[in-house]
Amino acid sequence: GAVVSQHPSWVICKSGTSVKIECRSLDFQATTMFWYRQFPKQSLMLMATSNEGSKATYEQGVEKDKFLINHASLTLSTLTVTSAHPEDSSFYICSARDGRDTWSQPQHFGDGTRLSIL
Amino acid sequence: GQNIDQPTEMTATEGAIVQINCTYQTSGFNGLFWYQQHAGEAPTFLSYNVLDGLEEKGRFSSFLSRSKGYSYLLLKELQMKDSASYLCAVMDSNYQLIWGAGTKLIIKP
Repeated sequence: GAVVSQHPSWVICKSGTSVKIECRSLDFQATTMFWYRQFPKQSLMLMATSNEGSKATYEQGVEKDKFLINHASLTLSTLTVTSAHPEDSSFYICSARDGRDTWSQPQHFGDGTRLSIL
Repeated sequence: GQNIDQPTEMTATEGAIVQINCTYQTSGFNGLFWYQQHAGEAPTFLSYNVLDGLEEKGRFSSFLSRSKGYSYLLLKELQMKDSASYLCAVMDSNYQLIWGAGTKLIIKP
């Protein structure tokens, strides 16, 4: 159980393009989803926390107008990188926590999206 | 500020035992997680400790001392597939996960 599906796995696109990444919890309801970014040989950096039906909470230094997050249902959150530029190239990973569980339960991660902006 | 320290890289031999340490200084403590991350993949959950002591799960064990702000992940009977990064993460008083930079473990035959 506790499977998180993230799509697409790889994106290569031109500078200025907007890219949407989907994160779905397949067998549980995720009231909270998390979006991370990871640069090579670095640890996970939390970008934002997404709560179903409300606005996402962004970490300091993350532009909310640049990284649009929508969590419209208990099983789907999307991250849109608007007008992407080469410096946005990174590994983006989502995770979700089962809404029925306590905070002590682990986050379940999607497989990640490798974004390359040319 | 909040800080989690773990070694950047460790090397061990197949079949041996390795201990990966993690020390933390956070605003509050609501548990410590260990994750494994293979290169180019997302992290997978290994263990969770909230009380002092050792939690054993097969070849992997995790230890916690809250008074010392210290944890370790113990890997026994190392296999080549254990080559990965191991991430230590602490949940603070706001239930936010604070992540360490990860320890890259290299297993040699």
